[in-house]
Amino acid sequence: DTGVSQDPRHKITKRGQNVTFRCDPISEHNRLYWYRQTLGQGPEFLTYFQNEAQLEKSRLLSDRFSAERPKGSFSTLEIQRTEQGDSAMYLCASSFGQGNTEAFFGQGTRLTVV
Amino acid sequence: GESVGLHLPTLSVQEGDNSIINCAYSNSASDYFIWYKQESGKGPQFIIDIRSNMDKRQGQRVTVLLNKTVKHLSLQIAATQPGDSAVYFCAENSETGANSKLTFGKGITLSVRP
Repeated sequence: DTGVSQDPRHKITKRGQNVTFRCDPISEHNRLYWYRQTLGQGPEFLTYFQNEAQLEKSRLLSDRFSAERPKGSFSTLEIQRTEQGDSAMYLCASSFGQGNTEAFFGQGTRLTVV
Repeated sequence: GESVGLHLPTLSVQEGDNSIINCAYSNSASDYFIWYKQESGKGPQFIIDIRSNMDKRQGQRVTVLLNKTVKHLSLQIAATQPGDSAVYFCAENSETGANSKLTFGKGITLSVRP
């Protein structure tokens, strides 16, 4: 499978714990995005990388959230001191090129904070 | 503010009929639009895209129409099949400088009756 891969697919954690998700984009895709999706809503933009540079962060990304893409390939999204409101599907997408091009999504990581 | 929205939350069609899903956007500077299909528990799947210099684009059984005058986008699915049952999202890609992100609407559920 050469699509966008996310790990884990599901995560249940207790409130206050830290969690980390991983995204492996399609090989050679220079752009990588993180989105969050709650039930019945469309995905909401969190942050965007072009190669290893994090170029934009949403206001949704509080200081408890941090994302990295150290070598311009895979990316991690960490949530510290999780809250119940963090429960959502976290989606990663990647695309190639400089202009508007199609973004391909992974299957997402479903986070449940109890 | 910027928004991308869908007119109706659900659409029920008979198998074999054509489906039309509509979407309105408010950012007149938007120049790239994508339709995604999302099945339960999965990430959004790219269907078709269109750039603002076009008003129509066709794919396999799908057609996207763009009316920039009224900021309206539609997805037409010919001969709808049970496998088309899913949530459909329109998304706008707003690219400013080096930054790029997708803004999604709420989603409309397409239900295909056998």
